[in-house]
Amino acid sequence: NAGVTQTPKFRVLKTGQSMTLLCAQDMNHEYMYWYRQDPGMGLRLIHYSVGEGTTAKGEVPDGYNVSRLKKQNFLLGLESAAPSQTSVYFCASSGQGTQPQHFGDGTRLSIL
Amino acid sequence: AQSVSQHNHHVILSEAASLELGCNYSYGGTVNLFWYVQYPGQHLQLLLKYFSGDPLVKGIKGFEAEFIKSKFSFNLRKPSVQWSDTAEYFCAVRPTGTYKYIFGTGTRLKVLA
Repeated sequence: NAGVTQTPKFRVLKTGQSMTLLCAQDMNHEYMYWYRQDPGMGLRLIHYSVGEGTTAKGEVPDGYNVSRLKKQNFLLGLESAAPSQTSVYFCASSGQGTQPQHFGDGTRLSIL
Repeated sequence: AQSVSQHNHHVILSEAASLELGCNYSYGGTVNLFWYVQYPGQHLQLLLKYFSGDPLVKGIKGFEAEFIKSKFSFNLRKPSVQWSDTAEYFCAVRPTGTYKYIFGTGTRLKVLA
């Protein structure tokens, strides 16, 4: 009963380094999302996907790239990390119609 | 632009007090409405949702919310809070027919034992 799994849970990077966050869901959901959560700002949508092979920009896409090569996985990439990208990143997925989102446990990312 | 406003950023209550958290959204069409709760160090969990029908929705752990269409509001209520309700609460809106969820900035609730 895994639901939405995010790896890694914690990571510290130096400015300019790159990394990829992995999100995997086992609920056969069509839609997947990446959010960042910052104090006092709630959740802001970075990118989302409405199906395998498709991605779209959200509210704050700059500095991030995503890929959805398989339906169950949604990858978030930082090509050149910046301190402003220090945040907690949440992945979510949802099915079609009136289904709510299911969230992963989050990835706490610090950029020094 | 579509937005969700949660007017109370921090709320402190004593156990057994009643709770009401405000949520207003700006969107002229039909919407699906959600309240999520995030306990310290955990991910967001669904408290309740509204899609259609009875505007008074009951969720888990004794929470309920009322959709007032004329006021574009979806306020969360609980008659008697417990210490274990200490958490951050997020209101979210999804315009019908879209894939995007718009979240409010959250309300931190602290319940004193």
